[in-house]
Amino acid sequence: DTEVTQTPKHLVMGMTNKKSLKCEQHMGHRAMYWYKQKAKKPPELMFVYSYEKLSINESVPSRFSPECPNSSLLNLHLHALQPEDSALYLCASSQGTGTGDPYEQYFGPGTRLTVT
Amino acid sequence: TQLLEQSPQFLSIQEGENLTVYCNSSSVFSSLQWYRQEPGEGPVLLVTVVTGGEVKKLKRLTFQFGDARKDSSLHITAAQPGDTGLYLCAGGRYGQNFVFGPGTRLSVLP
Repeated sequence: DTEVTQTPKHLVMGMTNKKSLKCEQHMGHRAMYWYKQKAKKPPELMFVYSYEKLSINESVPSRFSPECPNSSLLNLHLHALQPEDSALYLCASSQGTGTGDPYEQYFGPGTRLTVT
Repeated sequence: TQLLEQSPQFLSIQEGENLTVYCNSSSVFSSLQWYRQEPGEGPVLLVTVVTGGEVKKLKRLTFQFGDARKDSSLHITAAQPGDTGLYLCAGGRYGQNFVFGPGTRLSVLP
């Protein structure tokens, strides 16, 4: 099973709302990732978790707050977002530590976020 | 400057034609992956290549990793409308973050 699941599929939120994106994998992968993808661009790395600890934060604004409750789950908490944060948010997982190893990543279907 | 370059950026062809897309870098990679992504969906892993000179086939798709592990190609034989999508190459290196190329957007017309 190489499935990564994400919920919700679509999310519309106002700039004052608080919402969360959820990601789950059952492949035993110890590295999990959040990416942001704008239209017609490749995915852009936001955060990496390695063994449930945050190992990489690519200078992401604090209105995005990741959380890894256990080795299978990854959340992204959203608060006071801006319209320019509208994008496809992708979760991925991989073997290895996630911090500089060559293992392939498996992606979820994404959450399409619209900030109004 | 992108660490991974892809060409062409866009490609529109008729059903039944053959095509090749390229992924190039000046850096050596421990592995390269090819993904296909459809609009509004996550990238789907097609293949991983790890050995220089390696060739892998997936039905009508043939993937090659360069001898020096700096480049890769994807060849599609007899393209079908279902092959339409964004093709992304991505690479992993020890001690470095996983990186993506900018993608090749393929349109196969019936």
